[in-house]
Amino acid sequence: KAGVTQTPRYLIKTRGQQVTLSCSPISGHRSVSWYQQTPGQGLQFLFEYFSETQRNKGNFPGRFSGRQFSNSRSEMNVSTLELGDSALYLCASSVNRGLADTQYFGPGTRLTVL
Amino acid sequence: AQTVTQSQPEMSVQEAETVTLSCTYDTSENNYYLFWYKQPPSRQMILVIRQEAYKQQNATENRFSVNFQKAAKSFSLKISDSQLGDTAMYFCAFHRGTGTASKLTFGTGTRLQVTL
Repeated sequence: KAGVTQTPRYLIKTRGQQVTLSCSPISGHRSVSWYQQTPGQGLQFLFEYFSETQRNKGNFPGRFSGRQFSNSRSEMNVSTLELGDSALYLCASSVNRGLADTQYFGPGTRLTVL
Repeated sequence: AQTVTQSQPEMSVQEAETVTLSCTYDTSENNYYLFWYKQPPSRQMILVIRQEAYKQQNATENRFSVNFQKAAKSFSLKISDSQLGDTAMYFCAFHRGTGTASKLTFGTGTRLQVTL
């Protein structure tokens, strides 16, 4: 079974631009979570989607948004990029049977904001 | 809010030796799950091992085992017969067992270097 895939793998943007990252979960997984990883803040939870609904949200500004499609694929969008948004963005999927299913991670998208 | 603490920023171990990585957490929950993930230089986050808090038996996965002390809120990872491929960042993570939302709270990580 194919793992979690994320596109693109690398992205360079300039301040003020917006960016969209994509995540395709493992087949059969219905929950998709997003995390931001930076050297200073470590791994921080952004949000989680399940059945096309945002179920949980971390402490990030409204510039960070996401959505999930009927096939469970998810996108996250960051508008008005700031230098501090440079990070590795990780997507994780899980089956979600109502308990703490194990989350499996994709390879990440490395975003650099200049 | 839950917190996860990894007090060892870096560790080194020789090949074939055993090493233990420490993790403590703070929570008022009684039902929860704990994980160890490894992140090699490729940055791919890989699940190492999972422990359910309601299980008294410590989880094991081949060369990896945990020492779960619920009362002390401690969850250490033991790697036996260390291999060069074990070189990576290791993250301890906490997940609430109640509710249906998925959210992992991570520690700051321990960088493990396996040497010849």
